[in-house]
Amino acid sequence: QVQLVQSGAEVKKPGSSVKVSCKTSGGTFNTFAISWVRQAPGQGLEWMGGIISIFDKTHYAQRFQDRVAITAVESTSTAYLELSGLRSEDTAIYFCARGRDMASFASPLDSWGQGTLVTVSS
Amino acid sequence: EKVMTQSPATLSVSPGERTTLSCRASQSVNNNLAWYQQKPGQAPSLLIYGASTRATGIPARFSGTGSGTEFTLTISSLRSEDSAVYYCQQYDSWPPYSFGQGTKLEIK
Repeated sequence: QVQLVQSGAEVKKPGSSVKVSCKTSGGTFNTFAISWVRQAPGQGLEWMGGIISIFDKTHYAQRFQDRVAITAVESTSTAYLELSGLRSEDTAIYFCARGRDMASFASPLDSWGQGTLVTVSS
Repeated sequence: EKVMTQSPATLSVSPGERTTLSCRASQSVNNNLAWYQQKPGQAPSLLIYGASTRATGIPARFSGTGSGTEFTLTISSLRSEDSAVYYCQQYDSWPPYSFGQGTKLEIK
């Protein structure tokens, strides 16, 4: 059974950066896409981007393209989301999730991390 | 970008009844459509993928239909634990793999 465990809550100042980790276990890491989805307080889900590490390939939603970086370390089966230029509107819970289908971004998300709350406040 | 629109925004239904949630895509997503359930304080969980295939462990009272631009999630014999927000997501065209805004289901 695949498990995704994320790093703990963060409080950041506007203009700074945050890096959230997502460690996977119980399955093959590098052949499945890991996506990042965020949820602002009381709001819906927003897909930000993803990575398939075996191809060293990333996809990003255009609105985050210039300030997001998703990386992966295969040796530790861990994916990372780094978001820079933080503003108050980035306050949200950030989830990582694994695609169901091997080697494809076009896949439903069948395993999710517990979420990481990032608060941006001066 | 393909925009996903869900209706209604909220729904209140009695236990034992059947209900239908709708999801419409601004352009065809073929059958690359998933439904998720999210309970308060929890991560979403996958219910349906490929528009109509139940994910592992999902009971048969959850069913999905549709293709192209119109999709429905039907929940029969509603139970109190079905109270949640339900999201549809297209994974046909990237990026982004857009979500609907959600339907909040309340069990009376």
